[in-house]
Amino acid sequence: DVKVTQSSRYLVKRTGEKVFLECVQDMDHENMFWYRQDPGLGLRLIYFSYDVKMKEKGDIPEGYSVSREKKERFSLILESASTNQTSMYLCASRTVTMAYEQYFGPGTRLTVT
Amino acid sequence: AQKITQTQPGMFVQEKEAVTLDCTYDTSDQSYGLFWYKQPSSGEMIFLIYQGSYDEQNATEGRYSLNFQKARKSANLVISASQLGDSAMYFCAMREGKRNRDDKIIFGKGTRLHILP
Repeated sequence: DVKVTQSSRYLVKRTGEKVFLECVQDMDHENMFWYRQDPGLGLRLIYFSYDVKMKEKGDIPEGYSVSREKKERFSLILESASTNQTSMYLCASRTVTMAYEQYFGPGTRLTVT
Repeated sequence: AQKITQTQPGMFVQEKEAVTLDCTYDTSDQSYGLFWYKQPSSGEMIFLIYQGSYDEQNATEGRYSLNFQKARKSANLVISASQLGDSAMYFCAMREGKRNRDDKIIFGKGTRLHILP
């Protein structure tokens, strides 16, 4: 069965902390994505990766970085968390052989205080 | 500029009626794809249907169909015979890119659908 997992469902961090959000997929997918979801704004693409060590900026990369050292794992890093990064973060993965298949993780609700 | 536009923030529909959720898109690529996802209150994202830009026929999956009008750049989702369980947030999304390998997928703001008993 297809599986995308995220390290935490809920996370509370303080302003200025470094935050790591981890995403792991077990489907050998080439592409992985990080989105944030905010009410009234839908899902906005932060970063995506189409191969190990490859990354591309999405629409809102400011304040974030990513790491993909292994194919199955894609990490989102908040170098210095701020209150405006309080949001739901969704990870997704996709294979390039089936254009329409994109699978999502359960999401991490991050609160920065 | 917004690439995916969903003009209906919320909709209320009587159970058993058909529903059309609007989506328009903007791209200069010839090869692209359009998706619809459902997000119930549990928060999971559920893939519903996909339409490739070169697909000549409208995609259908059970009670879901995608009304693809390429010249108008619209990809409306039609749900036939709505059910209470269809109450959820619905997102339209587009895959754009030329090579599939490094295509990105972007989403609209969503439409919250309420099915009334």
